[in-house]
Amino acid sequence: AQKVTQAQTEISVVEKEDVTLDCVYETRDTTYYLFWYKQPPSGELVFLIRRNSFDEQNEISGRYSWNFQKSTSSFNFTITASQVVDSAVYFCALSNTGGFKTIFGAGTRLFVKA
Amino acid sequence: NAGVTQTPKFRILKIGQSMTLQCAQDMNHNYMYWYRQDPGMGLKLIYYSVGAGITDKGEVPNGYNVSRSTTEDFPLRLELAAPSQTSVYFCASEPDRWFSDEQFFGPGTRLTVL
Repeated sequence: AQKVTQAQTEISVVEKEDVTLDCVYETRDTTYYLFWYKQPPSGELVFLIRRNSFDEQNEISGRYSWNFQKSTSSFNFTITASQVVDSAVYFCALSNTGGFKTIFGAGTRLFVKA
Repeated sequence: NAGVTQTPKFRILKIGQSMTLQCAQDMNHNYMYWYRQDPGMGLKLIYYSVGAGITDKGEVPNGYNVSRSTTEDFPLRLELAAPSQTSVYFCASEPDRWFSDEQFFGPGTRLTVL
């Protein structure tokens, strides 16, 4: 069975702090995809990144970076120099080998205070 | 491009009523998805489609039906609405996972069943 755990329910930081959102997954598949999504207070969903299990290289996109470690089944997300606009719920997700049946974690709510 | 559009934005149904949630995309994407998001939770996949005429069940398909007669449209049908179907419904699309790394979401439909 597949499972995604986001143990941090809520995180509160002050602007300009760095923050890491944890994601731990379980799967028996040898090939799979991992995702991060952002849901701002307005409610829309924003796709941030997809990683396939063959690619363990860390990814950096501006202030966002992702650390994928198969050895610990983790796909953590770091926001550097956080801003108020980063306040949102962030979801981690896992897709099976076929890539279409996606399981989401419960989400981490991030508050960034000015 | 309008992206992914969903109608209606809000709807209140009585128990036992039926309705169709509309989803359309103008990006010629093969893959389309329907998710539901219950309050304070992550998303759950209801149905997905890998192309016109091809659909398959996700994690929570009971009480729903879909069709995909064209590449553009992926309507979700609720038959005999129940209070447990009160949720926010998101439609999503993506072009091809091997050659593209993007997903697009519609703005969501907030459905209440009373």
